[in-house]
Amino acid sequence: GENVEQHPSTLSVQEGDSAVIKCTYSDSASNYFPWYKQELGKGPQLIIDIRSNVGEKKDQRIAVTLNKTAKHFSLHITETQPEDSAVYFCAASSNTGTASKLTFGTGTRLQVTL
Amino acid sequence: DTGVSQDPRHKITKRGQNVTFRCDPISEHNRLYWYRQTLGQGPEFLTYFQNEAQLEKSRLLSDRFSAERPKGSFSTLEIQRTEQGDSAMYLCASSVGTGPSGANVLTFGAGSRLTVL
Repeated sequence: GENVEQHPSTLSVQEGDSAVIKCTYSDSASNYFPWYKQELGKGPQLIIDIRSNVGEKKDQRIAVTLNKTAKHFSLHITETQPEDSAVYFCAASSNTGTASKLTFGTGTRLQVTL
Repeated sequence: DTGVSQDPRHKITKRGQNVTFRCDPISEHNRLYWYRQTLGQGPEFLTYFQNEAQLEKSRLLSDRFSAERPKGSFSTLEIQRTEQGDSAMYLCASSVGTGPSGANVLTFGAGSRLTVL
């Protein structure tokens, strides 16, 4: 089955700096890669996603890049703000058969300091 | 629509007791998923419904776990004879799916946290 690895596990940046989180996946059939943000006591919230026919996607301060050859994808947050502090999860989905289940990474705790 | 609702938000029980969680998905979503999340880990897939049909179950879903979605709307997840290892956050998600393939965007609920003493 799919295996997703995520690094780093913790990341501390100063407000205004950029943050980068990287993930690798094992199943070459995976074709959908979402990123979720989880705040304390809440469920994961989708912040951006990318599909395998696209190499890069941007939404304001957030961007995701995908390298299918190397089987890795990254989340980039620019001009970080204190409200960006949360745990971020990458995930991958291969959508084989009738299931569309996500395999998640182990998360990155991002702390944005003033 | 207020999104995916889960109840209860927190449940503390003694080992050996049965517990049931309820999930109300977004009304127009035909697909519903259960995930489990332990401390410091990402969510792990448990099971998936399309309408009322349970189409896939993870090996994580032992015989003590049962999930239903009787009318294709809300779903319940029951854990019988709870064990301390069942302590986790149980997350429900829903999505719209129109066919067997094609990535679905999952919307998660806030989760039901289970503590087994």
